[in-house]
Amino acid sequence: NAGVTQTPKFQVLKTGQSMTLQCAQDMNHNSMYWYRQDPGMGLRLIYYSASEGTTDKGEVPNGYNVSRLNKREFSLRLESAAPSQTSVYFCASSLGGNQPQHFGDGTRLSIL
Amino acid sequence: QQQVKQSPQSLIVQKGGISIINCAYENTAFDYFPWYQQFPGKGPALLIAIRPDVSEKKEGRFTISFNKSAKQFSLHIMDSQPGDSATYFCAASPLRRAQKLVFGQGTRLTINP
Repeated sequence: NAGVTQTPKFQVLKTGQSMTLQCAQDMNHNSMYWYRQDPGMGLRLIYYSASEGTTDKGEVPNGYNVSRLNKREFSLRLESAAPSQTSVYFCASSLGGNQPQHFGDGTRLSIL
Repeated sequence: QQQVKQSPQSLIVQKGGISIINCAYENTAFDYFPWYQQFPGKGPALLIAIRPDVSEKKEGRFTISFNKSAKQFSLHIMDSQPGDSATYFCAASPLRRAQKLVFGQGTRLTINP
């Protein structure tokens, strides 16, 4: 039982390149989330999917797109990477409502 | 604009001491307050959570105290141990929209042996 799996773990991009971060969960959770973590800022919600087939914006959605591919998978895409998007990205999942969110171990993304 | 303000940014406590981390919020619609613990290289994990119908919740050595009128809540770690060294995040959300968690800035806690 792997929980929430994120790939890749590390990535370096050049400004303007595109990339998709992958996330999969094996806990049969309904809701999935993407956060970014920056020093001194805590975690900020980028997008979330309350259930399969739905997505909604979080606090910092600009520059990102998401796809809820199926109940297990939720991907985050950077169409044209910018240095300001250098961050650690976390995917999380939960049963929904106020049930605990379970996080993956993150993707460390650097954009030069 | 930070909706949940957390302090201190870093904290050093001797083994066996009490660690206290404080959070304050502004949005009166918030009514679900979880705390997350994060070890280096790992994602955050839920530690303990409280709703405003109680003023205190205790789980083992970890206690959340909640002051609704002051819009503040805090985490107390009793008998702090080196294994408690981690970054702690408070968070808040409206209960009906708990998926929209707003996190504090985080506190890096170090427990000296």
